[in-house]
Amino acid sequence: EDQVTQSPEALRLQEGESSSLNCSYTVSGLRGLFWYRQDPGKGPEFLFTLYSAGEEKEKERLKATLTKKESFLHITAPKPEDSATYLCAVQANNAGKSTFGDGTTLTVKP
Amino acid sequence: NAGVTQTPKFQVLKTGQSMTLQCAQDMNHEYMSWYRQDPGMGLRLIHYSVGAGITDQGEVPNGYNVSRSTTEDFPLRLLSAAPSQTSVYFCASRPPRGASNSPLHFGNGTRLTVT
Repeated sequence: EDQVTQSPEALRLQEGESSSLNCSYTVSGLRGLFWYRQDPGKGPEFLFTLYSAGEEKEKERLKATLTKKESFLHITAPKPEDSATYLCAVQANNAGKSTFGDGTTLTVKP
Repeated sequence: NAGVTQTPKFQVLKTGQSMTLQCAQDMNHEYMSWYRQDPGMGLRLIHYSVGAGITDQGEVPNGYNVSRSTTEDFPLRLLSAAPSQTSVYFCASRPPRGASNSPLHFGNGTRLTVT
């Protein structure tokens, strides 16, 4: 059974204080690992897809990396508008079901 | 381009009542799915469909029915609402089967309370 574990559950940072969010996974045949951002009262919005170990993707202050067992979402010099819940999901070699972690709620204080 | 549209946005039901949550997408996506999200928890898959006329169960299907008569619509039916079904429900879609590692596109959710 596919499993995704995210840590920490919650993270509070000062503006400009860089940090990382972790996503550990077990899956039979990874087709893709996805990062989503979810704002309160909204549906998740897609950020990145990573396909193979060693791959990295960047967007503004966010950088996602992937190993064979985990992914990290690095946040460099965060701003208050980066406050959100970040969800990690894996897509395995099955009928297309995505398995999600419980998310990390990030709060960035000015 | 509206994307994924869910209605209603909010709903309050009494125990034992039935209702249908609506989901429509205008992106010609073959894959559609329903998730529920409870406080402090991630998204749990209820049912999914890989195309019109095809549906399958996800992780937590009990108490819910789905059908897929068109590519655009994927309604979720609660047969007899229970307080344990109080949750936020998200519909999500994805491009055709050949792009099964494409990301999901989500609606903005239906917030359901069962009293």
